[in-house]
Amino acid sequence: QQQVKQSPQSLIVQKGGISIINCAYENTAFDYFPWYQQFPGKGPALLIAIRPDVSEKKEGRFTISFNKSAKQFSLHIMDSQPGDSATYFCAARRSDNFNKFYFGSGTKLNVKP
Amino acid sequence: ETGVTQSPTHLIKTRGQQVTLRCSSQSGHNTVSWYQQALGQGPQFIFQYYREEENGRGNFPPRFSGLQFPNYSSELNVNALELDDSALYLCASSSRFGGAEQYFGPGTRLTVT
Repeated sequence: QQQVKQSPQSLIVQKGGISIINCAYENTAFDYFPWYQQFPGKGPALLIAIRPDVSEKKEGRFTISFNKSAKQFSLHIMDSQPGDSATYFCAARRSDNFNKFYFGSGTKLNVKP
Repeated sequence: ETGVTQSPTHLIKTRGQQVTLRCSSQSGHNTVSWYQQALGQGPQFIFQYYREEENGRGNFPPRFSGLQFPNYSSELNVNALELDDSALYLCASSSRFGGAEQYFGPGTRLTVT
């Protein structure tokens, strides 16, 4: 049973466009929702994160939108650049379950020049 | 401040053998988690160590075991290797038990033949 469902599996965006990646979860015990960026051959790097008491968080070109009632959250990359081409993972954490993180299956983003 | 480091970078083993992977946590971090990332998938939680004790485990068999040392570095041991154990093994550290921000190392690519 996949705890966090991520879509789309792959995404192609033109330079300067907006990239949107979506995630959904079922367990309302999750209390922290990070997004990670992973380049080939590297470990995931923490990009931005949100807690469920906030509906939106913005850091530079990256924004998380969080809909608690729908149990969904999304990553928006504004003004997408070729350097943003990577695989993005959403995750969810339960602090009452020894800080265990559950990851989505990933979205491979390709930003065309 | 140094980041999370892992060794070795790559490893090739034969089915049935045993392997030990190593991780040095980020300076000041006392909690280490291990993840298995199969090709094209998100990381799957193996277990977590805090104060040299395992305090959480995912759906992995007992042949996956670990250690944490007084300096917070950690080892992942896998016995009786199977072909399906081929994956990228990631170590992540956080600053305290239950700490939300988790930082990953570059991973060890294990190939079982």
